[in-house]
Amino acid sequence: GAVVSQHPSWVICKSGTSVKIECRSLDFQATTMFWYRQFPKQSLMLMATSNEGSKATYEQGVEKDKFLINHASLTLSTLTVTSAHPEDSSFYICSARDIEASGSYNEQFFGPGTRLTVL
Amino acid sequence: AQTVTQSQPEMSVQEAETVTLSCTYDTSENNYYLFWYKQPPSRQMILVIRQEAYKQQNATENRFSVNFQKAAKSFSLKISDSQLGDTAMYFCASLSSGDKLTFGTGTRLAVRP
Repeated sequence: GAVVSQHPSWVICKSGTSVKIECRSLDFQATTMFWYRQFPKQSLMLMATSNEGSKATYEQGVEKDKFLINHASLTLSTLTVTSAHPEDSSFYICSARDIEASGSYNEQFFGPGTRLTVL
Repeated sequence: AQTVTQSQPEMSVQEAETVTLSCTYDTSENNYYLFWYKQPPSRQMILVIRQEAYKQQNATENRFSVNFQKAAKSFSLKISDSQLGDTAMYFCASLSSGDKLTFGTGTRLAVRP
């Protein structure tokens, strides 16, 4: 159980185009999903918190108009990189939190990541 | 704000030996959680072990154990009987209110055959 998928696993696009990345919780419902960015040999940096049915909360320094997040259902959040440029090339990872998990702590389950390369 | 510091960019250990990865953190919250995550070459993040700050007893998961020193804000990971499959990046992380994970910069562990 507690599987999170991401699609696509990798994508190459031309500069100026938009790319959509999907994050799905396969066997549980997630009111909250998180989007991270990881540059080569670096740590994960939280970009935004995605809440089902409401607007995402972006971390300081993350352009909300460039990284559009939609969380339309309890099992799906999407990240759209608009007008992508080479500096947006990175590894994007999502995580999801099970709303029905008991206890004071709800574990985050991570997707396998999406590698974006912008030419 | 929370900060997590990992001062060892790279570590190496002989197979079957024991290795300890260091982590320090800073938080202003009274109740928090600490984690060690493993990221193998596949890049899939895997939870290794979790420690709840209000518990004094150190968490253990099979060959993995932590040394949680709350006063010193230290949270090290000990891997016993290291295996080749333990080769990966290891990230220390803390969880704040709002469920935001803050990660350290990571330690690359290589297990030598």
